[in-house]
Amino acid sequence: DADVTQTPRNRITKTGKRIMLECSQTKGHDRMYWYRQDPGLGLRLIYYSFDVKDINKGEISDGYSVSRQAQAKFSLSLESAIPNQTALYFCAIQTGNQPQHFGDGTRLSIL
Amino acid sequence: QQQVKQSPQSLIVQKGGISIINCAYENTAFDYFPWYQQFPGKGPALLIAIRPDVSEKKEGRFTISFNKSAKQFSLHIMDSQPGDSATYFCAASVTGGGADGLTFGKGTHLIIQP
Repeated sequence: DADVTQTPRNRITKTGKRIMLECSQTKGHDRMYWYRQDPGLGLRLIYYSFDVKDINKGEISDGYSVSRQAQAKFSLSLESAIPNQTALYFCAIQTGNQPQHFGDGTRLSIL
Repeated sequence: QQQVKQSPQSLIVQKGGISIINCAYENTAFDYFPWYQQFPGKGPALLIAIRPDVSEKKEGRFTISFNKSAKQFSLHIMDSQPGDSATYFCAASVTGGGADGLTFGKGTHLIIQP
């Protein structure tokens, strides 16, 4: 979806490498989210941010860090990637009581 | 601990039939219950959502039924079409719109046979 842009769309890397996934939005929404999707497990919340200075851990934050560089940008980092972090990663945006709106995801494979 | 349990994991329905997906939740603080539809290569997209102050919400062929006392809610797709073939996720949140994050079920892979 053009309102939420995730880069890269696909990434293959090796164990131990540092990886950054980026998310940008054009809607000016204050809230941004990172989720991880694994087959048969649904989506699980990693981190979320209400604004540049407000970062919150989600259900599965261990092994991940985030940075809200600006209202429009929210990055997810894996400092030392491990194979069980192979998954689909989704960024979402939200404002007020409007529903969360998701990007099209990054497929990350860690060998 | 899985807070939102979704069933079935997969479902095959004939074209024109009714597709039914069920979810149960444990956290009584949940106040917002959306359903998302996901096609391959795409992110989840909101289909329909309900708050616990109503027992049913209908939008076109899609209906959510909500049973607060049983802590269950379900998605009904009437006159199912091949274009409805997708993965469906129920979700729940303690805040409107999921501001504090959504808790998802594990998903249902729905196939509508022509």
